[in-house]
Amino acid sequence: DAMVIQNPRYQVTQFGKPVTLSCSQTLNHNVMYWYQQKSSQAPKLLFHYYDKDFNNEADTPDNFQSRRPNTSFCFLDIRSPGLGDAAMYLCATSRRGREEGETQYFGPGTRLLVL
Amino acid sequence: AQSVTQLGSHVSVSEGALVLLRCNYSSSVPPYLFWYVQYPNQGLQLLLKYTSAATLVKGINGFEAEFKKSETSFHLTKPSAHMSDAAEYFCAVSGWTGGFKTIFGAGTRLFVKA
Repeated sequence: DAMVIQNPRYQVTQFGKPVTLSCSQTLNHNVMYWYQQKSSQAPKLLFHYYDKDFNNEADTPDNFQSRRPNTSFCFLDIRSPGLGDAAMYLCATSRRGREEGETQYFGPGTRLLVL
Repeated sequence: AQSVTQLGSHVSVSEGALVLLRCNYSSSVPPYLFWYVQYPNQGLQLLLKYTSAATLVKGINGFEAEFKKSETSFHLTKPSAHMSDAAEYFCAVSGWTGGFKTIFGAGTRLFVKA
């Protein structure tokens, strides 16, 4: 089945220690998104890639970076995690220009714990 | 500009009762409207989507929603709640406003009582 895969499902890191979360997709979608979701809140868009074009949200901290080496993979790098960065991180994909309304397809998420 | 308001952060119903989750939107362009469901420790899953083809949209798991332009609403309903419907539900709006962006509502947690 075509899907969005996130690894690992749970990640524990230390305060200030860089961490990378990964996302892969078999849907061949041209857009990939990273969201941060804290408990009982809506997903907050951090940034997205439309093909190779990176689109950062204005209020995304510089501490968060992303890489998309190819169509299938996208990474979220947190350079110096703080306690406030503990959250669920959701990856999603969509196919811009080929589907009316752009449904987003989400991965299961990576829950990040910062000690 | 686009926005979404979900009325009620928590809704509780008895098993077998009607489910009604409210969503109002604001959009300066013709909107696309979505309902997503999120089960604990999982990603969001599409329930249904409005794209102007029909005002009454049927989705998975017996859910449906009606687009009412005059009321700027897109409420989600299900005639008979099941225990497995307990989850967080997000309404979302998207559209082309110089870029394509999806705005999520704050979510409504549905509790189903036996």
